[in-house]
Amino acid sequence: AQSVTQPDIHITVSEGASLELRCNYSYGATPYLFWYVQSPGQGLQLLLKYFSGDTLVQGIKGFEAEFKRSQSSFNLRKPSVHWSDAAEYFCAVGAAAGTASKLTFGTGTRLQVTL
Amino acid sequence: DAGVIQSPRHEVTEMGQEVTLRCKPISGHNSLFWYRQTMMRGLELLIYFNNNVPIDDSGMPEDRFSAKMPNASFSTLKIQPSEPRDSAVYFCASSGGSETQYFGPGTRLLVL
Repeated sequence: AQSVTQPDIHITVSEGASLELRCNYSYGATPYLFWYVQSPGQGLQLLLKYFSGDTLVQGIKGFEAEFKRSQSSFNLRKPSVHWSDAAEYFCAVGAAAGTASKLTFGTGTRLQVTL
Repeated sequence: DAGVIQSPRHEVTEMGQEVTLRCKPISGHNSLFWYRQTMMRGLELLIYFNNNVPIDDSGMPEDRFSAKMPNASFSTLKIQPSEPRDSAVYFCASSGGSETQYFGPGTRLLVL
């Protein structure tokens, strides 16, 4: 069964500092990997995804993530955090199943940004 | 595109009442997913449909929960009777075959 671990429940960074959110997955084959962001009271917005190819993927809002098969990781990074990035971030792994993909989510990492 | 539409956005009801949550997927998407989000259990997949057919309902907590998708543009999630432990945010998501799911804003349910 697929699973996702986000080891950091809460992270605080200063505005302008770099950010890395960790994600480790467990899946028997090549996974489909996603990062979503959720602002308070809102739905989940897709930041970026990895299906295949280049292991460094670029997303919206200046985020990027790197797929490392040897480490079963898909960490999210941003070189300079803005106060508006404060939100909860979810990593997810998908298993291709026909035309639909079941997503398994991590427990999320809440990002706080100090000014 | 309007995105995934969910209604109501907020629902407060009393224990024992029937609750119906509604979802309109993105036009042209052929897969629809219902999730529940709670502090204790995080985001859980309840059920998903492909071409209006339920594919996997193993996440539905119990018989009090049911979901239907009568056509490609509408789905409902019903809880009857509702209980306080059903209080959560319920999300609907749709996918157009690219393996990427697009989420609605959610319905925040409170059962008293």
